[in-house]
Amino acid sequence: ETGVTQSPTHLIKTRGQQVTLRCSSQSGHNTVSWYQQALGQGPQFIFQYYREEENGRGNFPPRFSGLQFPNYSSELNVNALELDDSALYLCASSWYDSNYGYTFGSGTRLTVV
Amino acid sequence: SQQGEEDPQALSIQEGENATMNCSYKTSINNLQWYRQNSGRGLVHLILIRSNEREKHSGRLRVTLDTSKKSSSLLITASRAADTASYFCATDSYSGNTGKLIFGQGTTLQVKP
Repeated sequence: ETGVTQSPTHLIKTRGQQVTLRCSSQSGHNTVSWYQQALGQGPQFIFQYYREEENGRGNFPPRFSGLQFPNYSSELNVNALELDDSALYLCASSWYDSNYGYTFGSGTRLTVV
Repeated sequence: SQQGEEDPQALSIQEGENATMNCSYKTSINNLQWYRQNSGRGLVHLILIRSNEREKHSGRLRVTLDTSKKSSSLLITASRAADTASYFCATDSYSGNTGKLIFGQGTTLQVKP
């Protein structure tokens, strides 16, 4: 059984650029969620995907978008990067029934300069 | 926005002592989960307690849930230096067809050898 893999681990981008972060879900999980964690804070929910459709969204602007692929891997895209987008981005996979918990990846540390 | 508050924000104990962390939340929940995070990396799922459960054990971990007070506690017994990490509670408030975790600010635990 594989865990959740995220790539890249670190990334530095310039304000205004676009970035794509990738996540491979744990084998068998059909739901993927993305979270943003600013330094010293708890993670904040960005959105969730189930069956390749967005299945709920947190308080994030439309320039945050995502994709889920048939193999349940996922991408998080952020356009027009702002300095405040600097954070740790975490991907979590789960069964649709969330009573079985979530498996998180190690995250991608994004720095916007 | 953060769902709950964790108390204390920081805790420093000696190896072998017990560590207790508390979490309060605001809305009704489906379940409550505790996670550990080492050095700002990925979250490790520790334990999940459902809204109809009052207490749960896993190894050296004991979690209680009081839905009338909207609070939970995590007890780590016989702590070890390797338990040094940040601990987060997260509530799963299944809304419609979306499960999402709402995290607290976390408790930073230092276990001194």
